[in-house]
Amino acid sequence: KAGVTQTPRYLIKTRGQQVTLSCSPISGHRSVSWYQQTPGQGLQFLFEYFSETQRNKGNFPGRFSGRQFSNSRSEMNVSTLELGDSALYLCASSFIPNQPQHFGDGTRLSIL
Amino acid sequence: ILNVEQSPQSLHVQEGDSTNFTCSFPSSNFYALHWYRWETAKSPEALFVMTLNGDEKKKGRISATLNTKEGYSYLYIKGSQPEDSATYLCAFIPPNAGGTSYGKLTFGQGTILTVHP
Repeated sequence: KAGVTQTPRYLIKTRGQQVTLSCSPISGHRSVSWYQQTPGQGLQFLFEYFSETQRNKGNFPGRFSGRQFSNSRSEMNVSTLELGDSALYLCASSFIPNQPQHFGDGTRLSIL
Repeated sequence: ILNVEQSPQSLHVQEGDSTNFTCSFPSSNFYALHWYRWETAKSPEALFVMTLNGDEKKKGRISATLNTKEGYSYLYIKGSQPEDSATYLCAFIPPNAGGTSYGKLTFGQGTILTVHP
């Protein structure tokens, strides 16, 4: 069974631009969560979607948004990029929210 | 703001040593605790999901215990091997207002384990 797929793997943007990251969960998994990992902060929860509904949001500004489609695929959007948004963004899926999460390889976003 | 603390921050052991590390979390509001292993250049891999006070889980040489009343979990590795070198993360899940949970994981900073041959 294919794992969690994130695209793209690497992305370079400049300040002020916007970016969309994509996550395809494991087939049958309906819960998709997004995390940001920076060297000083560790893994920070961004949001969680279940059946196309955002049910949890972390402490991030409104520039960070996401959505989930009917096939459970999810996208995350960051607008007006700042230097501090440079990070590894990880997506994780599970069948239901409290089962172990399966992580993708992440998208490494660099802001110049 | 939830505080999930892991100690130590890093650990160096020799091959064959047994080791353990700690995850501390709020004891007053608990739903579940996850443990993950994150090897360099890979994605985090789930080890255990723990939900009941007194839970003990085992996977090969790795085991974990849970004390929800005092708010801590221990991860043990018996006979460490170089391939156990990784960052070990715990993640705490509080309940929501309805008593279930929507899976909002708060991660600790992790314990970096290096096993020297």
